[in-house]
Amino acid sequence: KAGVTQTPRYLIKTRGQQVTLSCSPISGHRSVSWYQQTPGQGLQFLFEYFSETQRNKGNFPGRFSGRQFSNSRSEMNVSTLELGDSALYLCASSLGGRSNQPQHFGDGTRLSIL
Amino acid sequence: QKEVEQNSGPLSVPEGAIASLNCTYSDRGSQSFFWYRQYSGKSPELIMFIYSNGDKEDGRFTAQLNKASQYVSLLIRDSQPSDSATYLCATTDTGRRALTFGSGTRLQVQP
Repeated sequence: KAGVTQTPRYLIKTRGQQVTLSCSPISGHRSVSWYQQTPGQGLQFLFEYFSETQRNKGNFPGRFSGRQFSNSRSEMNVSTLELGDSALYLCASSLGGRSNQPQHFGDGTRLSIL
Repeated sequence: QKEVEQNSGPLSVPEGAIASLNCTYSDRGSQSFFWYRQYSGKSPELIMFIYSNGDKEDGRFTAQLNKASQYVSLLIRDSQPSDSATYLCATTDTGRRALTFGSGTRLQVQP
């Protein structure tokens, strides 16, 4: 069974640009969550999608947005990039339904802002 | 604000010993508890989860949960150099699929 697939693996952008990251969950998983990992702040929750609806949102500015498609694939968009957005962005999928279902992470997209 | 606390380490143990990793959490509404292992430069890998008070064993790993003390731990028996990694403790509360992570404990297993 294939795991969570994130593309691209690496991205380099400049300040002010926007970026879109993609995540394909494990087959059969309907919940997709996004996290940001930085050395200073650790792993922080961005948002979660289930059945194409955002169900939970973390404490991030509106520049961070996402969506989920009918096949459960998800995209995350960051607009007007800032230097502080440099981070590893991780997608995690779970079966959904109950909130205690384990989440499995993809390899992440490493975003560098110049 | 929900907090999950872990000692950053490094925790150094000799090969073959038991490594004990600890985690406390502030939110009494926390219902589910997860341990992830993260190698340097890699993404977190789920190794254990526990929902009820007591112990849960899986191979060399044992997770222990004490909700009254708001404490969860991970024991690694017969530690191997390949267990050297950062171990992240995470929780969710009822109805939210949002993991709150601790900052992780770096484990070093000395050959």
